[in-house]
Amino acid sequence: EAGVVQSPRYKIIEKKQPVAFWCNPISGHNTLYWYRQNLGQGPELLIRYENEEAVDDSQLPKDRFSAERLKGVDSTLKIQPAELGDSAVYLCASSVRWREVGQETQYFGPGTRLLVL
Amino acid sequence: GENVEQHPSTLSVQEGDSAVIKCTYSDSASNYFPWYKQELGKRPQLIIDIRSNVGEKKDQRIAVTLNKTAKHFSLHITETQPEDSAVYFCAAPTVDSNYQLIWGAGTKLIIKP
Repeated sequence: EAGVVQSPRYKIIEKKQPVAFWCNPISGHNTLYWYRQNLGQGPELLIRYENEEAVDDSQLPKDRFSAERLKGVDSTLKIQPAELGDSAVYLCASSVRWREVGQETQYFGPGTRLLVL
Repeated sequence: GENVEQHPSTLSVQEGDSAVIKCTYSDSASNYFPWYKQELGKRPQLIIDIRSNVGEKKDQRIAVTLNKTAKHFSLHITETQPEDSAVYFCAAPTVDSNYQLIWGAGTKLIIKP
């Protein structure tokens, strides 16, 4: 089975420029997560989708970040405009909720490493 | 909300020795505790998890123990090998946010030859 796919793998942009990340989850996984991971830290949830509905976006900086998951499959995360502090690895993960809520295994993509100059 | 603290931040052990990483959590309603391994430049992957109805779970050289009273759980790796070198993350769900996983800051495990 194919894993979670993300693109691009690396992105270098200048501050104030827009950037977008794309994620294709594992087929059949209804839950999709976007995380930001800074160097030496654990993943920080930005947004979680159940199918096409954003069920938790409390930590998404909505002034500059936006996300969508059309048709409940692929998802795009956008930053506009980017700031120096946005430099991080952006991870996408997916899971299927077939047992107790909160106990599903999350499968991560390879991440997009963003550098804002 | 949930707070997950992980110690130590870096752990260096001799190959063949054991390694123990500990996490504490604050939400007494948390009922699921996974451990993920992230090798350098790669994605995090689940290596073992435990539910609140058991105190210990083993899978070959790795084990996880849970103390619900003290609200801490630990990852144990025995007979460490070079391929165990990685960053290990613990996590626990917060009931307040619909069981969103809260992640520890990670432990960098270094296996010395």
